[in-house]
Amino acid sequence: GQNIDQPTEMTATEGAIVQINCTYQTSGFNGLFWYQQHAGEAPTFLSYNVLDGLEEKGRFSSFLSRSKGYSYLLLKELQMKDSASYLCAVVRSNYQLIWGAGTKLIIKP
Amino acid sequence: GAVVSQHPSRVICKSGTSVKIECRSLDFQATTMFWYRQFPKQSLMLMATSNEGSKATYEQGVEKDKFLINHASLTLSTLTVTSAHPEDSSFYICSASTPGERGVLDTQYFGPGTRLTVL
Repeated sequence: GQNIDQPTEMTATEGAIVQINCTYQTSGFNGLFWYQQHAGEAPTFLSYNVLDGLEEKGRFSSFLSRSKGYSYLLLKELQMKDSASYLCAVVRSNYQLIWGAGTKLIIKP
Repeated sequence: GAVVSQHPSRVICKSGTSVKIECRSLDFQATTMFWYRQFPKQSLMLMATSNEGSKATYEQGVEKDKFLINHASLTLSTLTVTSAHPEDSSFYICSASTPGERGVLDTQYFGPGTRLTVL
């Protein structure tokens, strides 16, 4: 079957670093997305990984290990505006996405 | 960056009526468009995938006669909710994709969503 797991909720402090994990079991793999979604809004693209390793984009980095079925999103220098849900999604062989339930990140001052 | 628009952003209708939602890619040609619905505090649920000029592929459990999808051009896809009922009230989001540098659909650009309320 298809399964994507990520923590339901995480809390972090402004200025700190947080790592959001995502594990997956899917039939076929064509990459993994991370999206940010603020309440009541559509998701915003953050990153796409298809090869193993770490990809850095400013304050956000994303890591993938295909052999372990594992990815994480690393957020540095947290800001209050980073409070949102973070969605992990795996691309199936037919390019459709399977979505995780999302991790709600709460940033405290 | 790529921009996807949806219209309307919000619609309230009576039970039994049909509602059409448009999804447009404004500055790129989208070979594939996806339609999602999202219930409060839940993840996105893929409803169907549409490729320009061909019939949409619906996910299991999604009624194709109720949710009509038309992908008439590389920049426009429409979702029509026919004979809407209160349980169809939801946030409907479209996304558009096109092959990237890596030869796969390496990103999806999302529209802002349409909030449907059926009375």
